[in-house]
Amino acid sequence: RKEVEQDPGPFNVPEGATVAFNCTYSNSASQSFFWYRQDCRKEPKLLMSVYSSGNEDGRFTAQLNRASQYISLLIRDSKLSDSATYLCVARAAGNKLTFGGGTRVLVKP
Amino acid sequence: GAGVSQTPSNKVTEKGKYVELRCDPISGHTALYWYRQSLGQGPEFLIYFQGTGAADDSGLPNDRFFAVRPEGSVSTLKIQRTERGDSAVYLCASSLTWENEQFFGPGTRLTVL
Repeated sequence: RKEVEQDPGPFNVPEGATVAFNCTYSNSASQSFFWYRQDCRKEPKLLMSVYSSGNEDGRFTAQLNRASQYISLLIRDSKLSDSATYLCVARAAGNKLTFGGGTRVLVKP
Repeated sequence: GAGVSQTPSNKVTEKGKYVELRCDPISGHTALYWYRQSLGQGPEFLIYFQGTGAADDSGLPNDRFFAVRPEGSVSTLKIQRTERGDSAVYLCASSLTWENEQFFGPGTRLTVL
């Protein structure tokens, strides 16, 4: 079993709609969590950190549930430019990042 | 400013050959990381440097893989006796300190024939 698991998708989303997806992590020692965005054949880029209290950055909302060991990302008012692979990331002690396999999102007109 | 750079961008080699992949981190970043990403997968941690020393090399798959960072800046990932299963995109990242955001380079796409 992978340490961070994600639904690979793709999630086909009409432009303007809301999409949400989760990931689960198995290492209870994980301390920090992130969502990274990766465009096709490009490097991953940090989208946002994830906090237990939930946090919002514009159209993006991230949530952490430590009891159930899952992390969620919600995208409101989807834009065509939101089409990408979203990588769920957990960090235990130190700065070693453990990535999920990614969730592919395709926003269509 | 300049981001993380990696050379070459693409490397094609034959099974059994030796390859070196280079990473130039963001200036002033003390922490440097190597990851490997296979097709359809997320990046997989290989090794982390703090300064010149390898602080965590637990992700290196076997002793054919080795990395150095002799002056605490540029790093080289070395792969001996390459195998077809080594084919992947090798990503380098750097961060100001171990606690800060990691910035990734564009990667080196390694193909072993």
